[in-house]
Amino acid sequence: AQTVTQSQPEMSVQEAETVTLSCTYDTSENNYYLFWYKQPPSRQMILVIRQEAYKQQNATENRFSVNFQKAAKSFSLKISDSQLGDTAMYFCAFMRLYSGGGADGLTFGKGTHLIIQP
Amino acid sequence: EAGVTQFPSHSVIEKGQTVTLRCDPISGHDNLYWYRRVMGKEIKFLLHFVKESKQDESGMPNNRFLAERTGGTYSTLKVQPAELEDSGVYFCASSQDWGGSPYEQYFGPGTRLTVT
Repeated sequence: AQTVTQSQPEMSVQEAETVTLSCTYDTSENNYYLFWYKQPPSRQMILVIRQEAYKQQNATENRFSVNFQKAAKSFSLKISDSQLGDTAMYFCAFMRLYSGGGADGLTFGKGTHLIIQP
Repeated sequence: EAGVTQFPSHSVIEKGQTVTLRCDPISGHDNLYWYRRVMGKEIKFLLHFVKESKQDESGMPNNRFLAERTGGTYSTLKVQPAELEDSGVYFCASSQDWGGSPYEQYFGPGTRLTVT
């Protein structure tokens, strides 16, 4: 079974600062995806960024980037030039892929509540 | 294009009663997932449909929970009889079939279930 750990229940930074959210996971699998999801207050959860485990290059999406350390089983999210709209719960998630196609449901961490202060 | 919708948004029932939650996935999405977040804990996987078939129901907590997906479209999750520990937020998500971009799951807003 897989586990995902987010060790920061809450973080608060000033607008325009850079913030890094940590995530570690434990698995014996070799074929998987990792995700960061964002849930703004009273809104639906949306995908922020995705990383395929077989790719060495870290994924980036505009101001969002990850630091994927496969050997260390670490998957942190960096948000640059943080904005007020980045205030949300952030969830790290793991998905095991099947060799013949298809995948498990997501395994989530407990989440980090990120607050961007004006 | 409409996103994933869930109904009701909030339900308050007494212990022992029955509640049915509904999820309408994005049109054309073969994969449908149910998750639950109990207060202060992780979001937990409950089950996965591929079209109308249950692919994986390993996360269903017990036989008081029954999920169905009629004709591979919408899905219902029935809790009967409800217990206090069933309180939480129930999320539904859908994704395309494996030939598309199946690894991005689109989430609904959730149903907050309170059992008193």
